[in-house]
Amino acid sequence: SAVISQKPSRDICQRGTSLTIQCQVDSQVTMMFWYRQQPGQSLTLIATANQGSEATYESGFVIDKFPISRPNLTFSTLTVSNMSPEDSSIYLCSGWGLAETQYFGPGTRLLVL
Amino acid sequence: AQSVAQPEDQVNVAEGNPLTVKCTYSVSGNPYLFWYVQYPNRGLQFLLKYITGDNLVKGSYGFEAEFNKSQTSFHLKKPSALVSDSALYFCAVRDLRASGSARQLTFGSGTQLTVLP
Repeated sequence: SAVISQKPSRDICQRGTSLTIQCQVDSQVTMMFWYRQQPGQSLTLIATANQGSEATYESGFVIDKFPISRPNLTFSTLTVSNMSPEDSSIYLCSGWGLAETQYFGPGTRLLVL
Repeated sequence: AQSVAQPEDQVNVAEGNPLTVKCTYSVSGNPYLFWYVQYPNRGLQFLLKYITGDNLVKGSYGFEAEFNKSQTSFHLKKPSALVSDSALYFCAVRDLRASGSARQLTFGSGTQLTVLP
């Protein structure tokens, strides 16, 4: 199974600043995704991170607010830009592995003041 | 379009009793079904999946799930619940023939399982 790590695990940020979350997978994955989750709620897909090209964003999410990079098969970053308190959430990285199973990182808990 | 329904927000069961967490799905083709568990302040952990083959799938921690095509259901079960099974459970589905960015999973709303000692 793929092991996925995320940094930072949590952060408290000021309104108007930006935070970049890093995601590292220990084995090659065919697809990488970024999700957002409010505590106790379901997951909302932000975007699919494409290697070497622009991410594919879901409705309601835009590149200017959530720029994503994926320079290689095992690493991706998500930036939450110009943050507001409404961006407080859990951000989860996920990878679709060769075993046809989707695995998740431990999440980054973000609080915006 | 694909969708998942978890009709129960909360399930309570006594320790030692059997538990069932319900899930129904909708896909245009053949389904690819998953169960995940999320403990407090943790990410999602994979429990089990169904692609094809036996309708009864066995997974981690003694959990199993039964695929029922006629009822479009994939209920999660465990014969004897433990207090440590208390967590948030998510069912997810994907169309088996989806490709590209459509290969992402669609998740249910989640069911909070509480096992009472």
